[in-house]
Amino acid sequence: AQKITQTQPGMFVQEKEAVTLDCTYDTSDPSYGLFWYKQPSSGEMIFLIYQGSYDQQNATEGRYSLNFQKARKSANLVISASQLGDSAMYFCAMREGRNRGSQGNLIFGKGTKLSVKP
Amino acid sequence: EPEVTQTPSHQVTQMGQEVILRCVPISNHLYFYWYRQILGQKVEFLVSFYNNEISEKSEIFDDQFSVERPDGSNFTLKIRSTKLEDSAMYFCASIFRDRDQETQYFGPGTRLLVL
Repeated sequence: AQKITQTQPGMFVQEKEAVTLDCTYDTSDPSYGLFWYKQPSSGEMIFLIYQGSYDQQNATEGRYSLNFQKARKSANLVISASQLGDSAMYFCAMREGRNRGSQGNLIFGKGTKLSVKP
Repeated sequence: EPEVTQTPSHQVTQMGQEVILRCVPISNHLYFYWYRQILGQKVEFLVSFYNNEISEKSEIFDDQFSVERPDGSNFTLKIRSTKLEDSAMYFCASIFRDRDQETQYFGPGTRLLVL
């Protein structure tokens, strides 16, 4: 079974509008972390935002926010006021807690390709 | 701001040849990782490394792969006899502590092409 599911292979958004990229996850660990990374066409992986399983508040970082719904096991990324430079692949990733013996490797989804239209 | 660096940025090699991919993690980081991303696919974990030994490895990380930290700053991934299916982007990542909220910072990647 997929641990991280990103159901949108591609998304389009108009410049200056907001967009939500979906991510659902599957874990039985009570302790885990959720991450979003951006991968532009140049290939590097850029960390955007982190949400811990025990965090009470949704994470925010500038124009990025994470809509964390723990009961539904979803961690959607919201990008407000989209810019042309936001066009990239976006990956959701999870790091499971210690009680699985994990040393913290990330498990990635398949990604969503976001295209921002002028 | 400190960053993870990787060399080379691109490497082309013949099938069966050995390649060594190099990474310099952020200087005070203690945990190191290698991931790979086959073109158009998701990022996959290969191996994690702490205290000069492998902590965990995936099923991808078979006997053809090895890692070492030869001099306290570099962290290398060696592929002994490359196969066509080893063509991928290889990312190194590091964290300071093994805690859930620690963010893994990725290097820019090495794009390996096996012919």
